[in-house]
Amino acid sequence: QLAVTQSPSASASLGASVKLTCTLTSGHSTYAITWQHQQPEKAPRYLMRVNSDGSHSKGDGIPDRFSGSSSGAERYLTISSLQSEDEGDYYCQTWGSGVTVFGGGTKLTVL
Amino acid sequence: EVQLLESGGDLVQPGGSLRLSCAASGFSFSNYAMYWVRQAPGKGLEWVSGVSGNGGTIYYADSVKGRFSVSRDNSKNTLYLQMNNLRAEDTATYYCAKAAHDWIVVEYWGQGTLVTVSS
Repeated sequence: QLAVTQSPSASASLGASVKLTCTLTSGHSTYAITWQHQQPEKAPRYLMRVNSDGSHSKGDGIPDRFSGSSSGAERYLTISSLQSEDEGDYYCQTWGSGVTVFGGGTKLTVL
Repeated sequence: EVQLLESGGDLVQPGGSLRLSCAASGFSFSNYAMYWVRQAPGKGLEWVSGVSGNGGTIYYADSVKGRFSVSRDNSKNTLYLQMNNLRAEDTATYYCAKAAHDWIVVEYWGQGTLVTVSS
């Protein structure tokens, strides 16, 4: 069954970099995913799509500090030069056979 | 600019019904699939339903199948979610969202409308 798994939390210092991971279930390693960011008390915002070959396409206005990559069944979101507004929950999302699935989210704390 | 504005959220008793609406603007509504996604208080995102641009293809999460019904009126640029036989576990903020050019990408989100199911 299609699913994506994320670590529940991550932290990094202001100005540093962080790499978040989203893992697809066995048999779905070729699927594309998206990364969504939700700041506290706000609606989610689309960041980017990450394909199995590591290519990615970003949403409107997403800065160059955000990038995506892939390795096997893992999809990554790397945020460099961390800023306070990068705090919040990051969700990966994918779709297959009529079903959209979200990961449980990674709560990012900027120290 | 893409705008999605949900309405219709309310306090409703268990077993009751509610209809949510999502008014869309800033894009050619009939050309894009649309989603409903919900978020229970303090929890993560949960996909509820998706509908194709012409309304001919519809998907539901197992948790709402048989109780919720999605529809769209492309002449009014509006998406709907009819929710029947509501349960306490349906309590959540409901977001309307626009897909990109395929089903994979959830590209734009509304601000959400709160549904509370409680006696």
